[in-house]
Amino acid sequence: DTEVTQTPKHLVMGMTNKKSLKCEQHMGHRAMYWYKQKAKKPPELMFVYSYEKLSINESVPSRFSPECPNSSLLNLHLHALQPEDSALYLCASSQDQEGRSLHFGNGTRLTVT
Amino acid sequence: RKEVEQDPGPFNVPEGATVAFNCTYSNSASQSFFWYRQDCRKEPKLLMSVYSSGNEDGRFTAQLNRASQYISLLIRDSKLSDSATYLCVVNIRASASKIIFGSGTRLSIRP
Repeated sequence: DTEVTQTPKHLVMGMTNKKSLKCEQHMGHRAMYWYKQKAKKPPELMFVYSYEKLSINESVPSRFSPECPNSSLLNLHLHALQPEDSALYLCASSQDQEGRSLHFGNGTRLTVT
Repeated sequence: RKEVEQDPGPFNVPEGATVAFNCTYSNSASQSFFWYRQDCRKEPKLLMSVYSSGNEDGRFTAQLNRASQYISLLIRDSKLSDSATYLCVVNIRASASKIIFGSGTRLSIRP
């Protein structure tokens, strides 16, 4: 069982839709992350929140919009996505900024049609 | 040059063999180092952190060489259940949690 919970597990959306991915952790971790993973590739860092503030944006297109409402929650808002954005989106959290105890959620498998 | 580089493999070895993976990183200021394991269609899971003095956990040994900027993972007496992709993970900017994955090395253990 993972201690980082992601919903939904699967999502199919059209290019004109707006949807959100959600992530929750109750381990008291202070850093939270979004990664994107394509098939047979490693996870690619998208965003990092540290102490609820956005600390890293890896030049991600603005059609992806992260939000950290509180220390336990992380959202990824999606709008006007492209088919090439189809991937597994992984949320992770870590105890601190050094990345200790980095835990991943099961991921949301996103398909853009 | 990629920030974190690994030999992609695949490695195909018999059960009981010893296998070693290496990983290099480009930023000498990198602070934290980890090995993760990822099974097909699952999320990555922490295998072990890598400490400066080297560390061992059962059949697994991790080493860090800061001078040459590489880390290694040694698996002894490999089991069928060790078949997975092994990912080298480096925090290349500790002040901002920039945690980057290597490309992964695919390991298959055959009976």
